[in-house]
Amino acid sequence: QSVLTQPPSASGTPGQRVTISCSGSSSNIGGNYVFWYQQLPRTAPKLLIYRNNQRPSGVPDRFSGSKSGTSASLAISGLRSDDEADYYCAAWDDRLSGWVFGGGTKLTVL
Amino acid sequence: QVQLVQSGTEVRKPGASVKVSCKASGYTFTSYSISWVRQAPGQGLEWMGRISGYNGDTNYAQRLQGRVTMTTHTSTNTAYMELRSLRSDDTAVYYCARDRGILTGIDNWGQGTLVTVSS
Repeated sequence: QSVLTQPPSASGTPGQRVTISCSGSSSNIGGNYVFWYQQLPRTAPKLLIYRNNQRPSGVPDRFSGSKSGTSASLAISGLRSDDEADYYCAAWDDRLSGWVFGGGTKLTVL
Repeated sequence: QVQLVQSGTEVRKPGASVKVSCKASGYTFTSYSISWVRQAPGQGLEWMGRISGYNGDTNYAQRLQGRVTMTTHTSTNTAYMELRSLRSDDTAVYYCARDRGILTGIDNWGQGTLVTVSS
């Protein structure tokens, strides 16, 4: 059972906009930054969003993040077939003194 | 560019130990921590703990306390993760990753090391 809650799956058609939610509590998302990772099949995770809504260099602006209270979301616009991957949210948890992850959302591009 | 290169696949019997290495390059090793994250087959990511590249201070996930030890060799920019008393549910891909702290997060990841625990 993951500390952060994500929907197990999401889907969209090419060109569409999809959002993936991530729910936590005051000890993690509520008081700390949220990070998002993309994991393509059989590869290591890649940082997609840091500090709630910042993109590392090289990440397209089709990816955006937001946070409100104890929840966060990742939005992907102009969906492409190579966006098909697992997406994970993460945050530092003050009560556990460690990083916590969501269970992951498998994005399917129909 | 930042690179983290991990040691290869391991197979162990239940009750044994395993030690995975992670060699860092492309940045000042002592400026950041190394976190270890594992992923069981078909499952999500689980943070195991982290070690400071500066002074070796560690912070382990509660559920692994007593079974995991993380160390560093600053002369070779290498971090190590040892897991003892292995069980079948420790079968997973183990990742090391550069941990820049709670403001900047875990950014660069190693390629992963598959550890299989089977009798």
